[in-house]
Amino acid sequence: KAGVTQTPRYLIKTRGQQVTLSCSPISGHRSVSWYQQTPGQGLQFLFEYFSETQRNKGNFPGRFSGRQFSNSRSEMNVSTLELGDSALYLCASSLMGRGGGSTDTQYFGPGTRLTVL
Amino acid sequence: GENVGLHLPTLSVQEGDNSIINCAYSNSASDYFIWYKQESGKGPQFIIDIRSNMDKRQGQRVTVLLNKTVKHLSLQIAATQPGDSAVYFCAESPGTYKYIFGTGTRLKVLA
Repeated sequence: KAGVTQTPRYLIKTRGQQVTLSCSPISGHRSVSWYQQTPGQGLQFLFEYFSETQRNKGNFPGRFSGRQFSNSRSEMNVSTLELGDSALYLCASSLMGRGGGSTDTQYFGPGTRLTVL
Repeated sequence: GENVGLHLPTLSVQEGDNSIINCAYSNSASDYFIWYKQESGKGPQFIIDIRSNMDKRQGQRVTVLLNKTVKHLSLQIAATQPGDSAVYFCAESPGTYKYIFGTGTRLKVLA
């Protein structure tokens, strides 16, 4: 079974631009979560989607947004990029997502390395 | 943002020795915990998980211990190998469709 895939793997943008990152979850997984990883902050939760609905979001500004399609693939968008947005963006998928007492393991993709100049 | 705390940012162990990585979690409502391993240039890789109704779980060369009284989690790696060198994260989940990660512990295996 193929793992979580993310595209592109590397991206270089300049301040003020916007970027869209893509994630394809493991087949059959309906929950997709996004994280930002930086050396100083570790993995910070961005948001989680299930059946095209955002169920939870982290403490990030509105410049960070996401969506999920009917085939569970997900995209995240960052508008008006800032230097501090340089990070590894990780996508993780699971069957149903963590909630309601379920113990649902997340599996991560390789990430997209975003560099903002 | 929310973080799961770690006692040791870097741990160096001799090859063949056992490693113990510790983690203090913050949310008493968390009922599910996972340890991940992340190698350079890769995404986190699932190692082992444990539910809050357990205090110990064993996998292949790894054991996770959970102490809910003091909100402490540990990962034990037996007979540490060079391939175990990586950053290890613990994650807690209080449900609500999210996981909370810490900044990670770097494990260095000395030959």
